[in-house]
Amino acid sequence: KAGVTQTPRYLIKTRGQQVTLSCSPISGHRSVSWYQQTPGQGLQFLFEYFSETQRNKGNFPGRFSGRQFSNSRSEMNVSTLELGDSALYLCASSRQSQSSYNSPLHFGNGTRLTVT
Amino acid sequence: QKEVEQNSGPLSVPEGAIASLNCTYSDRGSQSFFWYRQYSGKSPELIMSIYSNGDKEDGRFTAQLNKASQYVSLLIRDSQPSDSATYLCAAYTGKLIFGQGTTLQVKP
Repeated sequence: KAGVTQTPRYLIKTRGQQVTLSCSPISGHRSVSWYQQTPGQGLQFLFEYFSETQRNKGNFPGRFSGRQFSNSRSEMNVSTLELGDSALYLCASSRQSQSSYNSPLHFGNGTRLTVT
Repeated sequence: QKEVEQNSGPLSVPEGAIASLNCTYSDRGSQSFFWYRQYSGKSPELIMSIYSNGDKEDGRFTAQLNKASQYVSLLIRDSQPSDSATYLCAAYTGKLIFGQGTTLQVKP
């Protein structure tokens, strides 16, 4: 069974640009969550999508947005990139929504974004 | 106060010893707790989940939960060098919140 697939693996962008990251969940999983991981802040929750609806959102500015398609694939967009957005962006899928508190997350390998 | 707190370490133990990793959480309403392991340069992978007070054992791993003290721990028995990684504690508080992680080093 294929795992969570994230593309691209690496990205280098310039301040002010925008970027779109893609995530394909495990087959049958309908929830996709996005996390930002940095050495200083650890893993921080961005948002969760379930059945094409945003279910929950973390404390990130509106420059961070996402969407989910009918096949459960998800994209995350960051506009007007800042140096501080350099991080590993991890996507995780689960069979049920995070509100089903016993549904563990399965992570992809992440997209390493560098903003210069 | 962070919602989920862990000592960043590093925690260093000799091969064959018991490694004890601890985590506290601030939201008394948290219903479920997870331990993830993350090797350097890799993504987190689920090791254990625990939902009720007490101990839960899976092979060399034991998760312990004490909701009254808002405390979760992970014990790794017979630690191996391959256990060297960062261990992330996560609590469900309406969304899954992760601690900063504890780096474990198992020395041969």
